[in-house]
Amino acid sequence: DAGITQSPRHKVTETGTPVTLRCHQTENHRYMYWYRQDPGHGLRLIHYSYGVKDTDKGEVSDGYSVSRSKTEDFLLTLESATSSQTSVYFCAIAGEDEQFFGPGTRLTVL
Amino acid sequence: GNSVTQMEGPVTLSEEAFLTINCTYTATGYPSLFWYVQYPGEGLQLLLKATKADDKGSNKGFEATYRKETTSFHLEKGSVQVSDSAVYFCALRDYKLSFGAGTTVTVRA
Repeated sequence: DAGITQSPRHKVTETGTPVTLRCHQTENHRYMYWYRQDPGHGLRLIHYSYGVKDTDKGEVSDGYSVSRSKTEDFLLTLESATSSQTSVYFCAIAGEDEQFFGPGTRLTVL
Repeated sequence: GNSVTQMEGPVTLSEEAFLTINCTYTATGYPSLFWYVQYPGEGLQLLLKATKADDKGSNKGFEATYRKETTSFHLEKGSVQVSDSAVYFCALRDYKLSFGAGTTVTVRA
């Protein structure tokens, strides 16, 4: 298995609070991604990174920010969580021709 | 932009039945095509892939052929097992993966 971990694996928070999800890789891959998974939508790209301090927006980036200060870590921050951000969040890294996914973080915003 | 449309589920089958999940795509150029599988409570795993027209990807008894003329990448398995119960995602890749909505497959013994 590709070395990707996500933390926390589960989180319940309240509307308006900040939340940070962490993705950690041990594969030294350049590209890292954050997706959210919602019923009927498959996986949708939030943000991605193509190197340290190099990030760009995906298709559903509103309300999210990211940071990548080290190759191995990619952080996703919800500055002020909303109920619409209740979802399962997956981190992924890009190998030569495929992406490898982390185990996911289930976030519930009450 | 690029997009993927796959057959809506859920699909319920009996063991040893034939499975087909349709997937069509819209893309500029010639993207690589993938099928990912997600078992309950887990992340996504690559099931198979094809990188150019007429390529056939295969794994664990599943097959899919990259058809440029019909812009399709349908997933098939001749005899499913209970262990094949999962959510299946079709995807295409340029600099990122674009996913279909997913098809939930349940195989009954």
